Amino acid sequence: NAGVTQTPKFQVLKTGQSMTLQCAQDMNHEYMSWYRQDPGMGLRLIHYSVGAGITDQGEVPNGYNVSRSTTEDFPLRLLSAAPSQTSVYFCASGLAANYNEQFFGPGTRLTVL
Amino acid sequence: AQTVTQSQPEMSVQEAETVTLSCTYDTSESDYYLFWYKQPPSRQMILVIRQEAYKQQNATENRFSVNFQKAAKSFSLKISDSQLGDAAMYFCAYRKGWSNAGKSTFGDGTTLTVKP
Repeated sequence: NAGVTQTPKFQVLKTGQSMTLQCAQDMNHEYMSWYRQDPGMGLRLIHYSVGAGITDQGEVPNGYNVSRSTTEDFPLRLLSAAPSQTSVYFCASGLAANYNEQFFGPGTRLTVL
Repeated sequence: AQTVTQSQPEMSVQEAETVTLSCTYDTSESDYYLFWYKQPPSRQMILVIRQEAYKQQNATENRFSVNFQKAAKSFSLKISDSQLGDAAMYFCAYRKGWSNAGKSTFGDGTTLTVKP
């Protein structure tokens, strides 16, 4: 049971480039979410999903797309990277039945030059 | 929108002593959950303790306990017998209701230093 995995761990992009951050979970969790953490701040919700085929926006969705074609995977796409998207990105998953506890991946540190 | 405020950017405690981290939140909901997460330098988010709003009894997990004051919308974390391994960033988080398992609102965190 690997829990929540994220790839890559580190990434450097140039302004305007696109990329996909991968997130996978093997716990059959219904809910998956993407957060970003800027220096000195807490996590802010980008997008989330309540099940395969269902996604919705969080607090800071601009510049990001998501899809959820399977229960296991929830990739986050940066369409045209900007320096303001330099951050640490966390993926999380959870079950509604488990006191709403979320399990977090190890994070991806993204730098946009 | 819900907000979570942690008014102490930094705290320090002597090893074996007790420290309390503060958290206040703003919500008009009656059904919600509150959490404290620990983030060590490894960046991994670790759940420390959780509290269901409908429970009057304060949650306790070993050396960690909370003081949940629902009317005051306050949710503080007490760490007893502090250990060097407790040094980390601590985040308070709020989640509304049963159907919002994917949506949490976090405070900006408190960095805890433990002095030997």
